Amino acid sequence: QQQVKQSPQSLIVQKGGISIINCAYENTAFDYFPWYQQFPGKGPALLIAIRPDVSEKKEGRFTISFNKSAKQFSLHIMDSQPGDSATYFCAAGVQGAQKLVFGQGTRLTINP
Amino acid sequence: NAGVMQNPRHLVRRRGQEARLRCSPMKGHSHVYWYRQLPEEGLKFMVYLQKENIIDESGMPKERFSAEFPKEGPSILRIQQVVRGDSAAYFCASSTRTGVGNTIYFGEGSWLTVV
Repeated sequence: QQQVKQSPQSLIVQKGGISIINCAYENTAFDYFPWYQQFPGKGPALLIAIRPDVSEKKEGRFTISFNKSAKQFSLHIMDSQPGDSATYFCAAGVQGAQKLVFGQGTRLTINP
Repeated sequence: NAGVMQNPRHLVRRRGQEARLRCSPMKGHSHVYWYRQLPEEGLKFMVYLQKENIIDESGMPKERFSAEFPKEGPSILRIQQVVRGDSAAYFCASSTRTGVGNTIYFGEGSWLTVV
């Protein structure tokens, strides 16, 4: 019940395209859903986060869509750029980011 | 950029030795978290500490692993008698507070290799 399932494991998108990564969870107590970006040899960096009282949040080219009834949330990267090539992790937490449960990660490659 | 500082960045230990990983939180942050990342996997929560207190250690292995965050100085993650399966990246994160609305910031990690 504590799992967060992320898909796909890897994704290749052409420059300028839309990258979509999906996550699903079971624990309805989760109240915080962040997305992290990680480059090789670096720590995860917070990209964008959402709480269950909203269905969508947009920050620049990054959008989180949240479906509370389906217990799913997704990250959309518009106008994907080669610099977006990284591993992306979704996560979920109870009472904020105190104890996050991470998905397995998606390795995104943007082809120029 | 006075972010979360971790050292050493890379550490090689022989089986049976001890590993000590240090973490200095961001300025003004009093909450520290340790996560472990195995190769090709997501991060797994290990422990959450405040100054001089362990708040939640539900993710810590029962043996050989310990963590502290003293009143003065960095947080320390200690692994005794390391085994090959301990090889991983260990990430520290910090925050100003806990609960709804908090954000945690990760350091660049300490990569432990056990040979």
